[in-house]
Amino acid sequence: GQQVMQIPQYQHVQEGEDFTTYCNSSTTLSNIQWYKQRPGGHPVFLIQLVKSGEVKKQKRLTFQFGEAKKNSSLHITATQTTDVGTYFCAAYNFNKFYFGSGTKLNVKP
Amino acid sequence: NAGVTQTPKFQVLKTGQSMTLQCAQDMNHNSMYWYRQDPGMGLRLIYYSASEGTTDKGEVPNGYNVSRLNKREFSLRLESAAPSQTSVYFCASGGVAEAFFGQGTRLTVV
Repeated sequence: GQQVMQIPQYQHVQEGEDFTTYCNSSTTLSNIQWYKQRPGGHPVFLIQLVKSGEVKKQKRLTFQFGEAKKNSSLHITATQTTDVGTYFCAAYNFNKFYFGSGTKLNVKP
Repeated sequence: NAGVTQTPKFQVLKTGQSMTLQCAQDMNHNSMYWYRQDPGMGLRLIYYSASEGTTDKGEVPNGYNVSRLNKREFSLRLESAAPSQTSVYFCASGGVAEAFFGQGTRLTVV
């Protein structure tokens, strides 16, 4: 089945520092989605990317889909304590969502 | 608009007991899913249902059964709970565009 690898597993940053998580696949993806899960909460959809080389922004968050559609990244500029949580990438294929293992972000005030 | 509703939110079972986790969605989605989440393991798919009347195994189906009762409801049953099934369980529904998750069920098997 589809394998989506995500790194790093954990990231600790000082408030104001930037943060990036990466998602990689050995096969070409038709789409990539990003989710955020707050501590004790459930995953919540952030965005979907479908086009090669696509870049989308949501305030301080920048999402990229690689030219070969095999990798993606989520970059947060100037982290805030409200960014704490686990960020997951996911690919949809064959009626299923394949989730990466997630990157847990901790932000020190 | 409730979205995806899961019950119960918390449950403690003794080894060997059975229980059913209930899930209902009101977004008219064809596809529904059950995931379990363990520390450091991300979201692992247990079973999914691409449409009413169909169910398929995911990555970790052993020890579980599911029923797609109708388009709205998709239940997960543990016939004989084991400590290895201690986890947080999420039901989700959706399609190509995005998945909507329920609030989760925190299950402890002692």
